[in-house]
Amino acid sequence: AQSVTQPDIHITVSEGASLELRCNYSYGATPYLFWYVQSPGQGLQLLLKYFSGDTLVQGIKGFEAEFKRSQSSFNLRKPSVHWSDAAEYFCAVLGRGGLTGGGNKLTFGTGTQLKVEL
Amino acid sequence: EAGVTQFPSHSVIEKGQTVTLRCDPISGHDNLYWYRRVMGKEIKFLLHFVKESKQDESGMPNNRFLAERTGGTYSTLKVQPAELEDSGVYFCASSQVGQGVNSPLHFGNGTRLTVT
Repeated sequence: AQSVTQPDIHITVSEGASLELRCNYSYGATPYLFWYVQSPGQGLQLLLKYFSGDTLVQGIKGFEAEFKRSQSSFNLRKPSVHWSDAAEYFCAVLGRGGLTGGGNKLTFGTGTQLKVEL
Repeated sequence: EAGVTQFPSHSVIEKGQTVTLRCDPISGHDNLYWYRRVMGKEIKFLLHFVKESKQDESGMPNNRFLAERTGGTYSTLKVQPAELEDSGVYFCASSQVGQGVNSPLHFGNGTRLTVT
C-alpha cells in the first residue's frame, strides 16, 4: 500500500524568503504525485502534479516541485513567499493501479501548515 | 462554472444523533468522491461513485456511514448514530470520467462535523 510522509507539521517563513516543503512517499513503482493547498475556509486546490517526463514540474502561484526517485521525494518549493501563501499544504500520491473506474483515489500526507511572517 | 458545493459548512451534533452531509458536484462530473480528515491526521478516502453506482467504498469506516447518490447528481453521506471519533472535516470532490488521471479532482470546501 502506498503512503505519504510530510515530516513538517508547521513551518514559519518570512515574506520574501524561499520555501521548501518536504514530501516522501512509499510506493513500489513511480506513482502519480500531487501537491494541494487549502487556504482558510476554502477547499483543496491543486498546485501541481507529476506524471512522467521532466522531474521538475511547475505549478500555479509560482510553485514548483521536483521528483527524486532515488529519495522517494517530491518536495515543493517557492523562491519567494508571499503573505497570501499562508495555508495548509498537502502532498498526495496515486498509485498507477489506482484508476478504478477512471477515477482518482488519492493517498494524502498529514499536511504542513505554513505561516508567513511579515 | 460553479464549483463543488457542500452543505452544511459546519455541523455540531451530540453523540448518538444523526447527521446528513450533502455534496453537489460540478455539473457533468460523473465521478464523485468523499474524503475525511480527522483532526491532525491525513485526509483519507472514504468512497467513490461513478454516476449513481458505488465504485469503491473500501474507505468507509463502518456501517454507521451510508452514502447515496440517487440519480447520479448530488450525494449524501449520513452518519447514524454519530460517535465522537466521527468528528472531522468531510470533503467531497468530483471529476470527469473518461480522462483517467488527467481529470483533476475539484474539491468542495468541506463540512466540519463536531460530535460532542
